[in-house]
Amino acid sequence: EAQVTQNPRYLITVTGKKLTVTCSQNMNHEYMSWYRQDPGLGLRQIYYSMNVEVTDKGDVPEGYKVSRKEKRNFPLILESPSPNQTSLYFCASSLGGAANEQYFGPGTRLTVT
Amino acid sequence: GQQLNQSPQSMFIQEGEDVSMNCTSSSIFNTWLWYKQDPGEGPVLLIALYKAGELTSNGRLTAQFGITRKDSFLNISASIPSDVGIYFCAGRVTGANSKLTFGKGITLSVRP
Repeated sequence: EAQVTQNPRYLITVTGKKLTVTCSQNMNHEYMSWYRQDPGLGLRQIYYSMNVEVTDKGDVPEGYKVSRKEKRNFPLILESPSPNQTSLYFCASSLGGAANEQYFGPGTRLTVT
Repeated sequence: GQQLNQSPQSMFIQEGEDVSMNCTSSSIFNTWLWYKQDPGEGPVLLIALYKAGELTSNGRLTAQFGITRKDSFLNISASIPSDVGIYFCAGRVTGANSKLTFGKGITLSVRP
């Protein structure tokens, strides 16, 4: 089944404790992206990647890192999480090296205390 | 930057009714997408539009790419309880291959 998977789905952590949220897609998509969704603010792009080893900042990249060593994986790294990073995170992918029809993962709900 | 406007924030309709949602912008878009998000899930793509004036259906859903390329609408006919959710529009501005712009979504409630 074609899909985007994220792990973990739920995470509660403490300020400053490094964490990684994994994202994997099995559709051979070139483009991958991370978003955060907050009430009243909609979906905001954190980072995106148009292909392997090509990543760039989205609208809200501060406090996040990403890597794209393989086509299928695009992990999101929070080196030192803070409470303002409490949010619902979505990974998405699309075919071609552009932001076309994007397919979303199920989401990761992160709480930083 | 580009913004997509969706209003109202919430809509309440009776089961069986039709409902129409608009998405507008001051910028010209070359792609319009409509997504639905169920509670606790990721957005799911409903319809994609690529040409001005294009009208596309997916079951009870119909969406159109506005002639001016600055708007799109989504119509749901004969609503049912499982239509409940948040409906987002998204678009890509000509030349901006790297990102989609998302509206803030409309929460649809359907009364049985």
